[in-house]
Amino acid sequence: DAKTTQPTSMDCAEGRAANLPCNHSTISGNEYVYWYRQIHSQGPQYIIHGLKNNETNEMASLIITEDRKSSTLILPHATLRDTAVYYCIVRIGNTGNQFYFGTGTSLTVIP
Amino acid sequence: DGGITQSPKYLFRKEGQNVTLSCEQNLNHDAMYWYRQDPGQGLRLIYYSQIVNDFQKGDIAEGYSVSREKKESFPLTVTSAQKNPTAFYLCASSITPTIQGVTEAFFGQGTRLTVV
Repeated sequence: DAKTTQPTSMDCAEGRAANLPCNHSTISGNEYVYWYRQIHSQGPQYIIHGLKNNETNEMASLIITEDRKSSTLILPHATLRDTAVYYCIVRIGNTGNQFYFGTGTSLTVIP
Repeated sequence: DGGITQSPKYLFRKEGQNVTLSCEQNLNHDAMYWYRQDPGQGLRLIYYSQIVNDFQKGDIAEGYSVSREKKESFPLTVTSAQKNPTAFYLCASSITPTIQGVTEAFFGQGTRLTVV
């Protein structure tokens, strides 16, 4: 049970911001939102995670709504190398339990 | 370099044979995971282990077996009972968190198993 809903695919022009939405309407108070991406035939790569505050790192920004039922991953200046499948995951942060992946969003960055 | 290593990258086996996929990590992580990925689909959890000598079934454990005799190693055996073994297999590890939220998983580069 992936517990998240994402659009199947999106396009973004190179150099523009890519905004990838995720719905997690059943998220619990102690569950974190994680984002990973997978470039074809490679292992998924961690991007960012957050609980309720917005987060930013060198790769991306994560915006979580106040009710925590949805979030948006922002790649501020998309490049062709950002073409990948992006997975939004929710998991409990302090139990070491498994990560459940859905089918993700296939992002294509267009030159 | 610290990391998680899967070998081999490509593996071919005849139908009816058992095959073992290797996963080694030197990140000192307690938790390790095995996922299966089929074309155009997300990752599905096969087995996971939170500590040495302990492991739990994931969503699709039938036809697979694992062991966790050492912290660094979590081999996956695909048995002849697995009806559709051809897939991309991914191993991951993470710390067993003592700090909330600091628990991202690190993935290997995967093994593509083809059974003919």
